[in-house]
Amino acid sequence: EVHLVQSGAELKKPGESLKISCDVSGDIFTSHWIAWVRQKPGKGLEWMGAIDPSDSDTKYSPSFRGQVSLSVDTAVSAVYLQWVSLKASDTAIYFCARHRSSRLPVDAFNIWGLGTMVSVSS
Amino acid sequence: DIQMTQSPSSLSASVGDRVTITCQASQDISTYLNWYQQKVGKAPKLLIYGTSNLEAGAPSRFSGSGSGTDFTFTISSLQPEDVATYYCQQYDDVPITFGQGTRLDFK
Repeated sequence: EVHLVQSGAELKKPGESLKISCDVSGDIFTSHWIAWVRQKPGKGLEWMGAIDPSDSDTKYSPSFRGQVSLSVDTAVSAVYLQWVSLKASDTAIYFCARHRSSRLPVDAFNIWGLGTMVSVSS
Repeated sequence: DIQMTQSPSSLSASVGDRVTITCQASQDISTYLNWYQQKVGKAPKLLIYGTSNLEAGAPSRFSGSGSGTDFTFTISSLQPEDVATYYCQQYDDVPITFGQGTRLDFK
């Protein structure tokens, strides 16, 4: 059974950097794209982007391009979401989710992590 | 970006009711439409993919239909555990976009 295990909650100050992780277990790490989805408190779901762990090909939403970066470490089967300089408006839950079909860059997300709460406050 | 408009934004129903949620895309997305259920404090769960395909493990009371720009999600007989927010999602093009959500609760 495939599991996505996300790193723990973070409390950061504006301007700080952050890298959160999504560990993939139970299947071939490089077989499926992994997406990141943001959910601000009390709000809906926003697709941020996705990465192909086999070659690090990435697709970003225009709303998030240049604000975050996605990366992978195949040695530890992990996908990362990174900020260089956080803002208060980045406060949200961030979910990683695996694409349902292997090798497709756009797809349904059938396996989700539990989410990482990121709080940014001075 | 493709805009996804769900209606209603919220609804109240009774156990056993037939519930329908609609989702309209701002342009033709063929059948590249998924439906998710999100319970409070939980990650979303895929229910329907490709407009009408039931995800493994999802109850058969959930169904979906449509094509092009207009889509429907139906719960044939509402159960207590169906209290949640439901989202449509298009994957015809990047960026992938979600509807704003429909909050479903009991009368």
